[in-house]
Amino acid sequence: NAGVTQTPKFQVLKTGQSMTLQCAQDMNHEYMSWYRQDPGMGLRLIHYSVGAGITDQGEVPNGYNVSRSTTEDFPLRLLSAAPSQTSVYFCASSRQGDNSPLHFGNGTRLTVT
Amino acid sequence: GDSVTQMEGPVTLSEEAFLTINCTYTATGYPSLFWYVQYPGEGLQLLLKATKADDKGSNKGFEATYRKETTSFHLEKGSVQVSDSAVYFCALKVDNDMRFGAGTRLTVKP
Repeated sequence: NAGVTQTPKFQVLKTGQSMTLQCAQDMNHEYMSWYRQDPGMGLRLIHYSVGAGITDQGEVPNGYNVSRSTTEDFPLRLLSAAPSQTSVYFCASSRQGDNSPLHFGNGTRLTVT
Repeated sequence: GDSVTQMEGPVTLSEEAFLTINCTYTATGYPSLFWYVQYPGEGLQLLLKATKADDKGSNKGFEATYRKETTSFHLEKGSVQVSDSAVYFCALKVDNDMRFGAGTRLTVKP
């Protein structure tokens, strides 16, 4: 059982480059989200989706785009990378509702030089 | 808005010591509360949860009780092991909105 799969695990970009972080889940979860993790700041929500075709902004959405064309996939796009986007990115999914925990992928470590 | 405040680390303990990591929350609704653990190079894993006041979550010797009167969800373990070394996150969830604390790094020495 794969759970939440993120690719790549590591990525180095130059300022201004674009890229897409991939996320897929095989649990048929309606809810998917992207977080970034920075030292001393816990996890901050970038974007989330409550189902295919529906996305919304989280706490720190600037510089990132998402789409949700299928239930399984929720890619995160960096349109023009900046050094401030150097971070570890986590994708997570859950069933809808208060009681359902988030299931996390293993993360993508991104460095922007 | 809703938020979680947890004890800042790092915390260093000897094996078999008692562990407490404090967590308090602020929420306008009735949140579910969670503790997650993150081992080096990995994503967050659910450790335990509680969904209503006075519920006790437990797993792998860890426990936490949902205290509505003190808005707290402190994590405890009676005897820690070296393998418990990790970063621990307290979190609350209302509807689909999950908020995390900053994390507490625990190191257990043999």
